[in-house]
Amino acid sequence: QLQLQESGPGLVKPSETLSLACSVSGGSISSSSYYWGWIRQPPGKGLEWIGSKYYSGSTYYNPSLKSRVTISVDTSKNLFSLKLSSVTAADTAVYYCARHQKQWLGDAFDIWGQGTMVTVSS
Amino acid sequence: QSALTQPASVSGSPGQSITISCTGTSSDVGDYNYVSWYQQHPGKAPKLMIYDVSNRPSGVSNRFSGSKSGNTASLTISGLQAEDEADYYCSSYTSISTWVFGGGTKLTVL
Repeated sequence: QLQLQESGPGLVKPSETLSLACSVSGGSISSSSYYWGWIRQPPGKGLEWIGSKYYSGSTYYNPSLKSRVTISVDTSKNLFSLKLSSVTAADTAVYYCARHQKQWLGDAFDIWGQGTMVTVSS
Repeated sequence: QSALTQPASVSGSPGQSITISCTGTSSDVGDYNYVSWYQQHPGKAPKLMIYDVSNRPSGVSNRFSGSKSGNTASLTISGLQAEDEADYYCSSYTSISTWVFGGGTKLTVL
């Protein structure tokens, strides 16, 4: 079955760019039925949607993060990536990647990665 | 966009039923049947429990059900079991083509 696995640095310095990748196994990232999304969770707090992207175009971002976020898809490697620029301590969180079902399938984040902790500190 | 409003905590005894509310606005919960619910155990990734207000994915117990009235969606868990103790989050599509989560509800099984 489809599995997602996040990877990237666990420590990022303030003002730098956070970069994470999510490898997709057991299925193709080029499916017409799904977006590919990122969600984060600061320690002890709730979930925050960051953004979702269709492999061949449409991208949607949280308005509060839009100016700093880029989500991209690499179909040749079957992975998608997150870049968050100008990070501060407020960006410290567990970052999850997730498969995001399109609405005709049932709008939901149906498969999640295990999550990766990213700490912003000098 | 503002987070959907959920109670911080709910509790119930084994065998009982509990309901968790998720209140939004006419620009999200009230206008779309795209509400989903997630269960999260400590240190684990969230798990999809309900999508499109009231649909259960394959493998999710029928003790979990969802509904919506106006701007408020609800998750009901019947026949509470110890393993249901977890955090629960709702999510909704919004009118500006974004998605928003609720603040989360901690369920305690007494």
